[in-house]
Amino acid sequence: NAGVMQNPRHLVRRRGQEARLRCSPMKGHSHVYWYRQLPEEGLKFMVYLQKENIIDESGMPKERFSAEFPKEGPSILRIQQVVRGDSAAYFCASSSYPPYLAGGRSDTQYFGPGTRLTVL
Amino acid sequence: QKEVEQDPGPLSVPEGAIVSLNCTYSNSAFQYFMWYRQYSRKGPELLMYTYSSGNKEDGRFTAQVDKSSKYISLFIRDSQPSDSATYLCAVGGTDSWGKLQFGAGTQVVVTP
Repeated sequence: NAGVMQNPRHLVRRRGQEARLRCSPMKGHSHVYWYRQLPEEGLKFMVYLQKENIIDESGMPKERFSAEFPKEGPSILRIQQVVRGDSAAYFCASSSYPPYLAGGRSDTQYFGPGTRLTVL
Repeated sequence: QKEVEQDPGPLSVPEGAIVSLNCTYSNSAFQYFMWYRQYSRKGPELLMYTYSSGNKEDGRFTAQVDKSSKYISLFIRDSQPSDSATYLCAVGGTDSWGKLQFGAGTQVVVTP
């Protein structure tokens, strides 16, 4: 399966602990996006990364949240000192080209199965 | 005001009927439009992608974009019980590359 992979699929943390969510993009994709989906809500953009660069983090909460996409290995979304309000499904997506390529035409984003975070 | 508005449903139709879904958006800078299907507790699956205005057909699915009225639609012909899912519209534009704006999703139930 050459799709976007995320792990773990389910993660349970107690308040104050750290959560690390991992995303491996599709083969050949070097652009990664993180979204959060709260119950009964649509997906909300969090951050867009390329290898070793954060391109757009306008959707990231100012505190406790960080993301990286190192030269080697998966992209990591890190949530420090989790609170109950962080409970949600976190989805990663990837694309093969930057979205501004080819005269404004956007390459499509392909989503992973998500990580469901529960904070007790 | 939300960037993208979508009726959450649920929308219940009998098998074989046409499913009609729509979204409205507020920012005229949006230039590309997508529909995703999401089964319960799964990741979104891309169904249709449209750049700028017009129609696009793929099998039983037809996507329409009317940029003058900021209105996008998805039609599913000959609906099947396996089409029961939540359908998400998504938009993006040149002022926020890579940052897709999603509607809340419409839950569709196709009854046998």
